[in-house]
Amino acid sequence: DAKTTQPPSMDCAEGRAANLPCNHSTISGNEYVYWYRQIHSQGPQYIIHGLKNNETNEMASLIITEDRKSSTLILPHATLRDTAVYYCIVRVNTGGFKTIFGAGTRLFVKA
Amino acid sequence: EAEVAQSPRYKITEKSQAVAFWCDPISGHATLYWYRQILGQGPELLVQFQDESVVDDSQLPKDRFSAERLKGVDSTLKIQPAELGDSAMYLCASSPSPGQANTEAFFGQGTRLTVV
Repeated sequence: DAKTTQPPSMDCAEGRAANLPCNHSTISGNEYVYWYRQIHSQGPQYIIHGLKNNETNEMASLIITEDRKSSTLILPHATLRDTAVYYCIVRVNTGGFKTIFGAGTRLFVKA
Repeated sequence: EAEVAQSPRYKITEKSQAVAFWCDPISGHATLYWYRQILGQGPELLVQFQDESVVDDSQLPKDRFSAERLKGVDSTLKIQPAELGDSAMYLCASSPSPGQANTEAFFGQGTRLTVV
């Protein structure tokens, strides 16, 4: 699985959009981009994943650049409960889920 | 909503003692993972099962750690003897069989181990 690079921490005002970047310049053609988050003392929670096209669900939007070397997770209206560590992962979508987590981005949502 | 169940939630043990963690994956999920997460770091994969078979245990310290999933359902991770450096969160995750479209992993709440 390709490696990812994320900023160690970010701040966001409550009610504003939180844009979390991720670089994955060595991503292969068959690797998906996944995002998870981990709220303090809980297990990681799946957010969204995508291959090439932008994706949106009830939690977030995922924007993947055309060359697929970077992506951005967007939380459209951040709340205090979105304060967590966000992990960007790239992996092949077959053969199980040998996930390699990095250190992630610690997002602080402030009132 | 189906969840991955783990127990105990917290465990304190003395070094050199044996300790065991239990995980019950989401029903029907053939793939089960054990991760270790040291404070301030991301989870690290220890072992992956496909049904009852180990498919990846390359990061499992086999001199003291063992994992089993005898009937291909629930799983146990054991440490014997525990060392101070084993203090961490131990996470279990499960996912549907490989090849299914939605193959994200679902995580349990973890077991926080403190070795004293």
